[in-house]
Amino acid sequence: GENVEQHPSTLSVQEGDSAVIKCTYSDSASNYFPWYKQELGKRPQLIIDIRSNVGEKKDQRIAVTLNKTAKHFSLHITETQPEDSAVYFCAASKGYSTLTFGKGTMLLVSP
Amino acid sequence: EAGVVQSPRYKIIEKKQPVAFWCNPISGHNTLYWYLQNLGQGPELLIRYENEEAVDDSQLPKDRFSAERLKGVDSTLKIQPAELGDSAVYLCASSQYGTSVTGELFFGEGSRLTVL
Repeated sequence: GENVEQHPSTLSVQEGDSAVIKCTYSDSASNYFPWYKQELGKRPQLIIDIRSNVGEKKDQRIAVTLNKTAKHFSLHITETQPEDSAVYFCAASKGYSTLTFGKGTMLLVSP
Repeated sequence: EAGVVQSPRYKIIEKKQPVAFWCNPISGHNTLYWYLQNLGQGPELLIRYENEEAVDDSQLPKDRFSAERLKGVDSTLKIQPAELGDSAVYLCASSQYGTSVTGELFFGEGSRLTVL
C-alpha cells in the first residue's frame, strides 16, 4: 500500500518567516495530495490540495508544489503568523482509494 | 449546516470493558470513514463505508473492533474488550463521493478514549 513520509516532525519559525514542510510518497499511481491543518484539540481541516495534473497551486499565503518524478510534494507558508501554529498533515491517494496520511509536522510560529 | 457529529467526546473506561462511538456524517455524504489517531501521529484508517457497504476494512482489528453503518447514514464503532493500547482519538470523517472526486474529507471533533 501507499506510504507517506513527512519532514520535519517539528518546525519553529519567527513570525513573518516562511515555512516549508516536505512529504514523499511511495506509490507512483497516487494522484491526489491534500494538506490538512489540525489546531490543538480540534479537528483536521483541509487547507489546500493538488492533483497530479498540475505542478503547483497557490492560495494566498500557502502553496503546494508537486514533483511526480521524485514522488514528493511540499507545503509552503509565507509570511507566517502565530495563528498558523498547528500540526500539518500531508496525505496521498490514488483513484478512489482512501487517503494515507503522514505523521504530521508541528509548526510553531513565535511572535 | 451541521458538520460531522461524534459522541461521546471523551470516554474513560477500564481495560476489558466495552465502548462504543457514534458518528453522524454531513447530510448527503455517502462516504464515511473511521480513523484512529494516536498522540503525535497522523490519522490511520480503520474502516471506510460507501453508503452501507464497508469497502475498506483491512486495517480494522476484527477480533475486538466492529463497526456498522445501518441505512447508510450514521455509524457506530465498537471495541470489545478494550485494551490499554486502544487509548487514542477516534476520528470520524465523511465526504460526498470519496476523495478522488471531491477531495475534501470533513472530520468530526473526535472521541478521545482513555483505557485504564
